[in-house]
Amino acid sequence: KNQVEQSPQSLIILEGKNCTLQCNYTVSPFSNLRWYKQDTGRGPVSLTIMTFSENTKSNGRYTATLDADTKQSSLHITASQLSDSASYICVVRQGGYNKLIFGAGTRLAVHP
Amino acid sequence: KAGVTQTPRYLIKTRGQQVTLSCSPISGHRSVSWYQQTPGQGLQFLFEYFSETQRNKGNFPGRFSGRQFSNSRSEMNVSTLELGDSALYLCASSLVGAGGSNTGELFFGEGSRLTVL
Repeated sequence: KNQVEQSPQSLIILEGKNCTLQCNYTVSPFSNLRWYKQDTGRGPVSLTIMTFSENTKSNGRYTATLDADTKQSSLHITASQLSDSASYICVVRQGGYNKLIFGAGTRLAVHP
Repeated sequence: KAGVTQTPRYLIKTRGQQVTLSCSPISGHRSVSWYQQTPGQGLQFLFEYFSETQRNKGNFPGRFSGRQFSNSRSEMNVSTLELGDSALYLCASSLVGAGGSNTGELFFGEGSRLTVL
């Protein structure tokens, strides 16, 4: 069954600290993986896309990794800010079927 | 470049009523998809439209329907509303590559928050 599992479900960290969010998938065949950030009451916004051949990609303080062999991705946030408080959603595109499989998201709260 | 516009932003209905939500995609985007989001459930895919045709459909009852117009604007309709239909309904548009393949980023609207009493 094609699934995307994210962990942890929720996370609280102090401002300035780093954190890592996990995404494990069983989607096959794999096309690409995106991380989205969703602020409360807003629509999700893409942070980064990972394709099969990419291991690491950065977008400012956000760094995504992909291990296609173990079917795992992570999103690392460096020097967190209050504005990082949001839900982070991992989305995997299934190759050949034009389908997206969504993770349930990780809710991050950054406290001062 | 204007983003994805959804209307209305908020609405309250009672059980048994029906509702129509509207979505205007980013200019040039021909694919429009709809999602239901409830607390703790994440984003649940409803359906996707491309060139006025439904390409993919999620596992929702027939009370949920949609359509797309020639200008790529889309509407979704929920009939015979139930309490469990209370949710944030998100619309997303995306560019479609050659051959109709959709490999691009989803651009989401702000959503329509539906409350069913």
